[in-house]
Amino acid sequence: DQQVKQNSPSLSVQEGRISILNCDYTNSMFDYFLWYKKYPAEGPTFLISISSIKDKNEDGRFTVFLNKSAKHLSLHIVPSQPGDSAVYFCAASPWGQNFVFGPGTRLSVLP
Amino acid sequence: DAEITQSPRHKITETGRQVTLACHQTWNHNNMFWYRQDLGHGLRLIHYSYGVQDTNKGEVSDGYSVSRSNTEDLPLTLESAASSQTSVYFCASSESTTDTQYFGPGTRLTVL
Repeated sequence: DQQVKQNSPSLSVQEGRISILNCDYTNSMFDYFLWYKKYPAEGPTFLISISSIKDKNEDGRFTVFLNKSAKHLSLHIVPSQPGDSAVYFCAASPWGQNFVFGPGTRLSVLP
Repeated sequence: DAEITQSPRHKITETGRQVTLACHQTWNHNNMFWYRQDLGHGLRLIHYSYGVQDTNKGEVSDGYSVSRSNTEDLPLTLESAASSQTSVYFCASSESTTDTQYFGPGTRLTVL
């Protein structure tokens, strides 16, 4: 049973619009969350993180929102660019323990 | 610049053969990890190490082994390759468990 779920395997968005990628988790002990981005034939690269003491973290065009009561986080990309087309993985961990990754969402940003 | 490398990048082998995938990092990180990526499953942890001579089993460790004789390297060995082990394998490292993990470029392994 997956502890970290990304229920949308794929998402298509028009360039310049907002991309919203969702992630749900089941383990209430998770308190630190990461988003990774992965291009084909490359390893995942770190994008943004959030800890459970916050409900929002921003870095440029990327914002992650955390709703602890719903066990839900989302990644917003505004505005979306064609270079954002990649697979996005959500990862979660209880503090001090290894991360559990979601299955990923493939984002396609259409010009 | 510090980096993490994997070799080979592609490997085709036959069922029953022993295969070793190499991972080398120059970050001087204590923690190293091996994952496999399969469609619908994301990244699943195979084995990990928190330092020299330390190894631990992850979620999907059956059929795999690792050894950590120095800080830089964590080779992954498939003792007797099976078709179910056809996958893309990623090595990663981090300074500590709560830190961001840096991933290698991956090894695509096909077991025929």
